Amino acid sequence: GQSLEQPSEVTAVEGAIVQINCTYQTSGFYGLSWYQQHDGGAPTFLSYNALDGLEETGRFSSFLSRSDSYGYLLLQELQMKDSASYFCATLAQGGKLIFGQGTELSVKP
Amino acid sequence: EAQVTQNPRYLITVTGKKLTVTCSQNMNHEYMSWYRQDPGLGLRQIYYSMNVEVTDKGDVPEGYKVSRKEKRNFPLILESPSPNQTSLYFCASSSQGNQPQHFGDGTRLSIL
Repeated sequence: GQSLEQPSEVTAVEGAIVQINCTYQTSGFYGLSWYQQHDGGAPTFLSYNALDGLEETGRFSSFLSRSDSYGYLLLQELQMKDSASYFCATLAQGGKLIFGQGTELSVKP
Repeated sequence: EAQVTQNPRYLITVTGKKLTVTCSQNMNHEYMSWYRQDPGLGLRQIYYSMNVEVTDKGDVPEGYKVSRKEKRNFPLILESPSPNQTSLYFCASSSQGNQPQHFGDGTRLSIL
């Protein structure tokens, strides 16, 4: 089957660095995306990796290794407002978009 | 302003009463899709459309219908809603499936 696996929850303190992992199993692969969702709100796009390596966008970075079917989202200088759910997602063959079950990040003071 | 608009935002209805959730985007996007979100299950795709008059089933299409007669609109239809369709629904659009998805604000459906 097609699936993406990510940890259900992660806790970190303000100012720290946290990494959220995502492993995927899909038929066909068209890149890995990351989304942030605050409680009750709409998911918003954070980052996309089409090729292997690191993509940096401010405090957030995303990494992809296609040979390992693995990626991660790295959040630096954590702030309280980063407390949210984070989803990895990929497009499977045929056009179906698949999301992981989400990682709930709690940032503590 | 570029946006995806869903209506209604909230709806409480009863089993078997047909309902439609509308979705409209103003970004000329080709790809549109519907998701339901339930606690612990993430976002599950219901249906997607890669262009006008082209629709395909996602992971959880049972009990839902969609249509894509115009590029900007992608309504979700529940012909005979049941309580297990109580959920938070999101519509999204993008230029292509692997490009950033723009989500609507969500529709919270309660079916009694």
